[in-house]
Amino acid sequence: SQQGEEDPQALSIQEGENATMNCSYKTSINNLQWYRQNSGRGLVHLILIRSNEREKHSGRLRVTLDTSKKSSSLLITASRAADTASYFCATDAGNQFYFGTGTSLTVIP
Amino acid sequence: NAGVTQTPKFQVLKTGQSMTLQCAQDMNHEYMSWYRQDPGMGLRLIHYSVGAGITDQGEVPNGYNVSRSTTEDFPLRLLSAAPSQTSVYFCASSSDSPWETQYFGPGTRLLVL
Repeated sequence: SQQGEEDPQALSIQEGENATMNCSYKTSINNLQWYRQNSGRGLVHLILIRSNEREKHSGRLRVTLDTSKKSSSLLITASRAADTASYFCATDAGNQFYFGTGTSLTVIP
Repeated sequence: NAGVTQTPKFQVLKTGQSMTLQCAQDMNHEYMSWYRQDPGMGLRLIHYSVGAGITDQGEVPNGYNVSRSTTEDFPLRLLSAAPSQTSVYFCASSSDSPWETQYFGPGTRLLVL
């Protein structure tokens, strides 16, 4: 069964606005990662947050992790048209690795 | 560095045929994985390897075989293709642990008729 669920499934914003997407998962994890996938391409690793961390930043990305609620959020600030892609959370549960269903982000120029 | 490469890019098979999807990486990564991506379901782990000669099953291993004779190569074999195996297949590699900071190949789109 799928470990992660993301919402919203799709998000459309204007360039310059912030985009927030959420991920919920089911079991204990070692870390949670976010990946980006441009249409028809392979995935690109964005950021990793470990289970003992609550917040992490990388450039315009901010990730939070709440292990008590088994949830994470990805914030992209000052979005650009080039950020248009699908975003997936992924959980490392030690002996298995699960991707969420993804959020499709469209940034309108 | 070419990173992670996959061949072929696209393949059409008939039910019952067998084939091998190739994956190679030139980053000397210890860990490699195979995923399939179906619409609305995200990626699901098929098999993974923690080093040459060592493989293990993921979430959806049935119908697929793998082997890892070298660090660089991790082929995925479909023994008898079924329409349910129509999907996009991605290979990935990583250096620090099986699934931390994975580098993905461009994918193989497989259609089974």
